[in-house]
Amino acid sequence: ELKVEQNPLFLSMQEGKNYTIYCNYSTTSDRLYWYRQDPGKSLESLFVLLSNGAVKQEGRLMASLDTKARLSTLHITAAVHDLSATYFCAVYSGGGADGLTFGKGTHLIIQP
Amino acid sequence: DARVTQTPRHKVTEMGQEVTMRCQPILGHNTVFWYRQTMMQGLELLAYFRNRAPLDDSGMPKDRFSAEMPDATLATLKIQPSEPRDSAVYFCASRGYYEQYFGPGTRLTVT
Repeated sequence: ELKVEQNPLFLSMQEGKNYTIYCNYSTTSDRLYWYRQDPGKSLESLFVLLSNGAVKQEGRLMASLDTKARLSTLHITAAVHDLSATYFCAVYSGGGADGLTFGKGTHLIIQP
Repeated sequence: DARVTQTPRHKVTEMGQEVTMRCQPILGHNTVFWYRQTMMQGLELLAYFRNRAPLDDSGMPKDRFSAEMPDATLATLKIQPSEPRDSAVYFCASRGYYEQYFGPGTRLTVT
């Protein structure tokens, strides 16, 4: 059974600082997703990482994937208040199983 | 601006009543998913369809939940009878190739 673990689950940080959210998963996969969710809202797609060594960047967010270590990271550079949200990683297990297995989410608060 | 739509957005019902949630996937997407989100369990996959055929519903309580896709523009999730533990946000998502997009969700409260 695929397990996805995120850490930290809660993170309070100051504007201007850098931080990294980690996502570990338990079985082989070459596709990993990052989503953002604001309170009471749906999930917004941030990144899809499709291969080992994949790196994608959008604004102050950068995601990477190491399939050998079964690890993805979401790095936040010079955080701003607007990035406060819950961030989920989700892993595609493949092998005919199309659904995603989600981590518990990282609740990020960025304080001015 | 293509997006997944869901109705209703909110539903409050009494225990024992039937609940039907509807989803219109993005045109051209051939894989449609139902997920449920609760504080305790997080996001869970309930069922999914590819080209309208049900492929996996192992995440659903079989005795009370059913999912169908009568045509390419409509997926439904039905709960009969509903129970308080079914209270959650139910998301529909559709996928074309790799990207998976979520609808706004149906917030269900069963009293």
